[in-house]
Amino acid sequence: DIQMTQSPSSLSASVGDRVTITCQASQDISNYLNWYQQKPGKAPKLLIYDASNLETGVPSRFSGSGSGTDFTFTISSLQPEDIATYYCQQYDNLPGFGPGTKVDIK
Amino acid sequence: EVQLVESGGGVVQPGGSLRLSCAASGFTFDDYAMHWVRQAPGKGLEWVSLISGDGGSTYYADSVKGRFTISRDNSKNSLYLQMNSLRTEDTALYYCAKGAGDYGDYVFDYWGQGTLVTVSS
Repeated sequence: DIQMTQSPSSLSASVGDRVTITCQASQDISNYLNWYQQKPGKAPKLLIYDASNLETGVPSRFSGSGSGTDFTFTISSLQPEDIATYYCQQYDNLPGFGPGTKVDIK
Repeated sequence: EVQLVESGGGVVQPGGSLRLSCAASGFTFDDYAMHWVRQAPGKGLEWVSLISGDGGSTYYADSVKGRFTISRDNSKNSLYLQMNSLRTEDTALYYCAKGAGDYGDYVFDYWGQGTLVTVSS
């Protein structure tokens, strides 16, 4: 099974800050990596697919990069509505999620 | 507008059974793979199962293999999850999710709001 790790597990940042989350796979998954946002009490929402493609309707301050085993998710300018937990998800074989990164406002 | 509405959750004793349903609308249901994803209280997301658009292929997480069965009725635009031999660790909010199709069956582009399953004596 492919194991996914995310770091940090949580972070606090100020409005307007650049926020970066990393996701690492235990083996090469090419670009088979998606990012989801889950706000408290809500279902997850797809933000980025295939490592770097922005889902339709998602603000451009969200971006993703990487391939192989190392991936990065970035919020270029943190907004109050971005408070959420962010999950990476691989699908090189059967799907699997990272443990999540909780993002708060400082 | 794509809508996914889960139902069938509830409280069940260990060893018991439950059948979840997901009613889909707003898209051509049989064109897309569908998934169940669960989230234990206060925990992360765990993929549970996948069924292809025609229902001919199914896949399961090791944690539920042999106990859960995914199915679909394309004439009713509905997805199901039959859960048998339930364990306390199956307690979770169960989401129905749609595969994205064009950019991958394993990209979950729409999610329902979930139905809560509690396994407790």
